[in-house]
Amino acid sequence: QKEVEQDPGPLSVPEGAIVSLNCTYSNSAFQYFMWYRQYSRKGPELLMYTYSSGNKEDGRFTAQVDKSSKYISLFIRDSQPSDSATYLCAMSPLSGSARQLTFGSGTQLTVLP
Amino acid sequence: NAGVTQTPKFQVLKTGQSMTLQCAQDMNHNSMYWYRQDPGMGLRLIYYSASEGTTDKGEVPNGYNVSRLNKREFSLRLESAAPSQTSVYFCASSEYMERIYEQYFGPGTRLTVT
Repeated sequence: QKEVEQDPGPLSVPEGAIVSLNCTYSNSAFQYFMWYRQYSRKGPELLMYTYSSGNKEDGRFTAQVDKSSKYISLFIRDSQPSDSATYLCAMSPLSGSARQLTFGSGTQLTVLP
Repeated sequence: NAGVTQTPKFQVLKTGQSMTLQCAQDMNHNSMYWYRQDPGMGLRLIYYSASEGTTDKGEVPNGYNVSRLNKREFSLRLESAAPSQTSVYFCASSEYMERIYEQYFGPGTRLTVT
């Protein structure tokens, strides 16, 4: 079983829709939670990171972490065609020698005009 | 600033050939990383360098070697390429290991081993 599971998609939504992307994890040591966006044939770019349970908002993007359920989400409001990309969740312990990012396999999102 | 640059962008190798993937960053970051990305597998860490002069194995180091040439450059070497090493390789950097959550990625090298 993978430490991080991510809904594989692909997900296709109309422009303006609210998008929900999700990951679950099994390792209780994970304390940092990140979302990366990867356009086709490009490198991933960091969208948001958080290390606390609850919500963190940045413009149209909201990251939500529920440590009790080991579940994280990324919400995209008023989705745009430019949001079409693969979204990767990633996690890391807070400290220690095992500090590495563990990535989900990614969800491919298409926002239709 | 160019950020993180990688060369080459594409490469085709025959089984048993060797090659070095180059990575450089101009953000004065201390920590650098090499990942491979395969369909359905996400990104997996091959090696990392917490600071100049140090390197450590990641999740999938077998068949690879690395060199932290200086603070800016971190290379990945395949000594004897195998078809299982067909993948997209990404280099990344972060200011420190403590800021591992804020990594900046290069554009990737697409490697095919036949």
